[in-house]
Amino acid sequence: QITLKESGPTLVKPTQTLTLTCTFSGFSLTTSGLGVGWIRHSPGKALEWLALIYWNDVQRYSPSLKTRLAITKDSSKNQVVLTMTNVDPLDTATYYCARRVWNYDYFDNWGQGTLVTVSS
Amino acid sequence: DIQLTQSPSFLSASVGDRVTITCRASQGISSSLAWYQQKPGKAPELLIYAASTLQSGVPSRFSGSGSGTEFTLTISSLQPEDSATYYCQQFHSFPLTFGGGTKVEI
Repeated sequence: QITLKESGPTLVKPTQTLTLTCTFSGFSLTTSGLGVGWIRHSPGKALEWLALIYWNDVQRYSPSLKTRLAITKDSSKNQVVLTMTNVDPLDTATYYCARRVWNYDYFDNWGQGTLVTVSS
Repeated sequence: DIQLTQSPSFLSASVGDRVTITCRASQGISSSLAWYQQKPGKAPELLIYAASTLQSGVPSRFSGSGSGTEFTLTISSLQPEDSATYYCQQFHSFPLTFGGGTKVEI
C-alpha cells in the first residue's frame, strides 16, 4: 500500500522560510523512474504544481517560484523536503505531496495535504 | 507554459445524466493528459491518464478521450458520489500545469 503524508507548520509569518516534509511508504525513491512532487491548492484557485524530484536526484521547479523553492530527498528515510523562502500571504494554501508515476509526470498517489497559513 | 482551459467551470446535473467536461490545451500535447477528481477537504484522485486510460479501481462510468489540444472527460451515468471538482493536468512539458477545474453539482 502506497501512502504519503505531509508535515510542517500550520502558521508561518511573512518573509519566513517554510519547510514541509513528505514521508512516504510503499515505494522507494531509489527505484528508477519514480519521483515525488509538490502541488498546492490555494483557496478559490486551481491546483498549482510547485516542484518535482526524481529517483536520480534531478529536480524540476515551477518557473514562477523557482527562486524561492528547493526540493531534496532522503531515500534512506523515505522523505522529500520542500523549502520555500520569503513566504507571503498569497502562499496560504493546502500543500500536497504526490508520487510521480513510473516514467511519466502525473501523480497516482497523493498525501492528505497540509494547510499552511501565512499571516503575521 | 501550456495553458489548460476547462469548460464549463460549473455544471449542475441529475443522477443518471451523461456529463462531459472539456479541457483545451494552448498547444498540442499529444495524449499527455491526466484527469483528477477532488472532493472537498480531500486530496485529488487520479481518474484517467494518457488521455483515455482508466486508472485501476476507477468506475467504468468515467471515460476520457482526445489528443492534441482537445480532450474530454465523460461520466456516462452521474452518481451522487461524483459530486466533486474535476481537474485536467498536462504532462507533455514543464512546467506541469492544471486546468482551472470544473465543479460538478448533483
